[in-house]
Amino acid sequence: ETGVTQTPRHLVMGMTNKKSLKCEQHLGHNAMYWYKQSAKKPLELMFVYSLEERVENNSVPSRFSPECPNSSHLFLHLHTLQPEDSALYLCASSQDRLRGFYEQYFGPGTRLTVT
Amino acid sequence: AQSVTQLDSQVPVFEEAPVELRCNYSSSVSVYLFWYVQYPNQGLQLLLKYLSGSTLVKGINGFEAEFNKSQTSFHLRKPSVHISDTAEYFCAVSAPLRGDMRFGAGTRLTVKP
Repeated sequence: ETGVTQTPRHLVMGMTNKKSLKCEQHLGHNAMYWYKQSAKKPLELMFVYSLEERVENNSVPSRFSPECPNSSHLFLHLHTLQPEDSALYLCASSQDRLRGFYEQYFGPGTRLTVT
Repeated sequence: AQSVTQLDSQVPVFEEAPVELRCNYSSSVSVYLFWYVQYPNQGLQLLLKYLSGSTLVKGINGFEAEFNKSQTSFHLRKPSVHISDTAEYFCAVSAPLRGDMRFGAGTRLTVKP
C-alpha cells in the first residue's frame, strides 16, 4: 500500500450505531488530519494531530471522537450520529504542519450515510 | 489568519478551449499557495504549488498557475482542456507558524464535448 488509505470506503449506519473510520499513511509523515466534505459546502477541518498529539479541534460535536495511536494511524469513532453528519470524510497527512510549505496528501475518503 | 476565495463556483467550458479558475487570498504574512484537484469519489490530489521564486508555476496534467502578489491572486490556467479534466478544483493557502492549510470552497470545472 502506498500513500494514504482509508477504510471503509462506504458506510451506512443508523443513528444509534457505533462505528469507526480508519486512516493509515505510509509516507512517514508526522501530522494527520480529518476533514468533513458535505455537498455544496467548503472543506471543514475537524481534527489535527501532530506527533500523535491532538493540536486542533474545530468545535466538532462530541459524537465524533478521534484517536491517533501512532503517527501512521488515525481513527474517527462515531456514535449517535445525525442525518446531517452524512458526508465524505477525508483523511490527510503532511510531513510537518508548522512550516507551511508541505502539502497535504489525501486518502480517497469514506462516504458516510446516516439513516 | 489567512483565507482564500475562489471566485467561481462552476465553470463550464468546451473541450480544447482554454480555461482559467480564479483564486484570491488574504494574509498579513508571506504565504504558500496550492491547487488541488478532486475527481468523483476520490480524495484531493496536488496539481501544483507556489513556495517562492518564479511566479509562474507548472503542474501536472498541463496546468499552470501564476502568483500575483500585488493582486493577491493565484489563478489556475490550462490552454486546452480535455473531457478528463472535469473535476472539482480547490485553491489552498498556508503560512509558516500560522496554523493549518486553508481551502477555498472549490470550483467545479465541467468540460463539454
